[in-house]
Amino acid sequence: AAGVIQSPRHLIKEKRETATLKCYPISRHDTVYWYQQGPGQDPQFLISFYEKMQSDKGSIPDRFSAQQFSDYHSELNMSSLELGDSALYFCASSAPLGELAGNNNEQFFGPGTRLTVL
Amino acid sequence: EDQVTQSPEALRLQEGESSSLNCSYTVSGLRGLFWYRQDPGKGPEFLFTLYSAGEEKEKERLKATLTKKESFLHITAPKPEDSATYLCAVQETGGFKTIFGAGTRLFVKA
Repeated sequence: AAGVIQSPRHLIKEKRETATLKCYPISRHDTVYWYQQGPGQDPQFLISFYEKMQSDKGSIPDRFSAQQFSDYHSELNMSSLELGDSALYFCASSAPLGELAGNNNEQFFGPGTRLTVL
Repeated sequence: EDQVTQSPEALRLQEGESSSLNCSYTVSGLRGLFWYRQDPGKGPEFLFTLYSAGEEKEKERLKATLTKKESFLHITAPKPEDSATYLCAVQETGGFKTIFGAGTRLFVKA
């Protein structure tokens, strides 16, 4: 079965530019998560969506916004990019609790988008 | 505020030398505690979910346990391919916000 798909895999931007990261969750998964992971750091929770509605917010800067569309794919929009935004951005998805056999409420992570801001 | 603290930061083992990784957590209500493995440049890979104190889960050379304040990941007779960063994370009841610890970098030498 296909895993979580993220695009692009690599992105290079200049300061003050904008970037859009895309995430396609696993089929039938109803929750999408976004994380930012700096070099040598742990994944920092940014935001999550449950059934296309924003469910929780973490340390997401005001310059960033995200949404989930009717087909469940999600986009993370980043504006006025700063050097400190350079990081790996992971998207993860999880299945509805109790609906899939063996569901451990685990998150399935995509391969990440490596954003470099110059 | 939810907190997750992992120790040690790094652990070097000889092949076959068993050890344990610690995850201490503070959360008002635990929805689940998760263990993930992460290889460099890749997304975390799920290992275990623990829901309540006293729960234990095993998979190959790994065993995860949970108390009210901490979780342990026991590694029995590790192999070089077990070298990775092991991340602990918690979710609070009523939401999906997931807090990760800083991880333990495990190095297993042949």
